[in-house]
Amino acid sequence: DAMVIQNPRYQVTQFGKPVTLSCSQTLNHNVMYWYQQKSSQAPKLLFHYYDKDFNNEADTPDNFQSRRPNTSFCFLDIRSPGLGDAAMYLCATSRRGNDHEQYFGPGTRLTVT
Amino acid sequence: KQEVTQIPAALSVPEGENLVLNCSFTDSAIYNLQWFRQDPGKGLTSLLLIQSSQREQTSGRLNASLDKSSGRSTLYIAASQPGDSATYLCAVQDSNYQLIWGAGTKLIIKP
Repeated sequence: DAMVIQNPRYQVTQFGKPVTLSCSQTLNHNVMYWYQQKSSQAPKLLFHYYDKDFNNEADTPDNFQSRRPNTSFCFLDIRSPGLGDAAMYLCATSRRGNDHEQYFGPGTRLTVT
Repeated sequence: KQEVTQIPAALSVPEGENLVLNCSFTDSAIYNLQWFRQDPGKGLTSLLLIQSSQREQTSGRLNASLDKSSGRSTLYIAASQPGDSATYLCAVQDSNYQLIWGAGTKLIIKP
């Protein structure tokens, strides 16, 4: 089945130790998104790619970076995780344009110790 | 700026009851509206998507309606079950193709 896959599902990292979260998709969608969701809050868009074009949200901290080496994969890099970065990180994909549903992966829960 | 509001923030009902969750948005210029379900500590499950040209969508015991002119959507759950307990989120896709989210309604179905 076509889907959005996130690895790992659970990630524990130490304060200040760089961490990378992975997202892959078999939907061949050209748009990929990264969201951060903290407990009892709505998801917050960090950035997204239209094909290779990177779009950063204005309030996304510099500590968060992303890479999209090809259509299928997208990575979220947190350069120096702080305790406040502990959250669920959600990857989503869609086709470019309007009226196109975003398909979400199962998420990666990040714990910072 | 588009804002999405979900009322109530929490809802507890006995099993078997029909219920309605509400979602309102301030700007009617949307492409679509989605309803999601989220279980504690888990990711998002898409329930229903209503295109801007549609009035409602149905899936099993779920029915979602959309009234763009009034900026409202409802999610109707028939014959509720304990397994329906979760947080329900609505999101509208705005003119920049981004999802604008409500804060969610936490639903508890009591056996």
